[in-house]
Amino acid sequence: GQSLEQPSEVTAVEGAIVQINCTYQTSGFYGLSWYQQHDGGAPTFLSYNALDGLEETGRFSSFLSRSDSYGYLLLQELQMKDSASYFCAVRDDLDSSYKLIFGSGTRLLVRP
Amino acid sequence: EAGVAQSPRYKIIEKRQSVAFWCNPISGHATLYWYQQILGQGPKLLIQFQNNGVVDDSQLPKDRFSAERLKGVDSTLKIQPAKLEDSAVYLCASSLSGGQPQHFGDGTRLSIL
Repeated sequence: GQSLEQPSEVTAVEGAIVQINCTYQTSGFYGLSWYQQHDGGAPTFLSYNALDGLEETGRFSSFLSRSDSYGYLLLQELQMKDSASYFCAVRDDLDSSYKLIFGSGTRLLVRP
Repeated sequence: EAGVAQSPRYKIIEKRQSVAFWCNPISGHATLYWYQQILGQGPKLLIQFQNNGVVDDSQLPKDRFSAERLKGVDSTLKIQPAKLEDSAVYLCASSLSGGQPQHFGDGTRLSIL
């Protein structure tokens, strides 16, 4: 089967750093993606890791360890606008469709 | 570039009625996806098209859901007849190809009474 685990909620203070973890169990793993979704809005792509290590894009970084079936999203210098839901998603290549399997999401609340 | 367009934005119907959603992907994107997102959950893939062919529809409830992508551009998703459990946001996404980042539309919020 396929499953992804991530915390349901995280609260942090403006200007701080927060890490959102994701563990996964899939039949065919190709890579791990992260998406952001504000309430009532569309999911937007943040990052993608196919290889072990850290990928940095501005204030956001994403890490992957394939041997541990684990990844995380790191948000630095938190801003109020970062309050949103964050989804990890595994790219499954078992049938060559490269379809995405999403976790249930982590709701991030940034407080002043 | 223009984003993924979806309509309608909201839809309210009674159970056992029919409903259809429309999606226009980003120009040039070969791969189109339909997702169902129930409140508090992540998007669940219903069907994936590559041009006008179906790549994956393993999670599409085929007894009531159907989708098509004629001419490999626009797509429609239909539910007939609707059940209470179909209340959700239906998201359309597109990508250049199957392995590329997906761009999502704002979705259609469906409420079943």
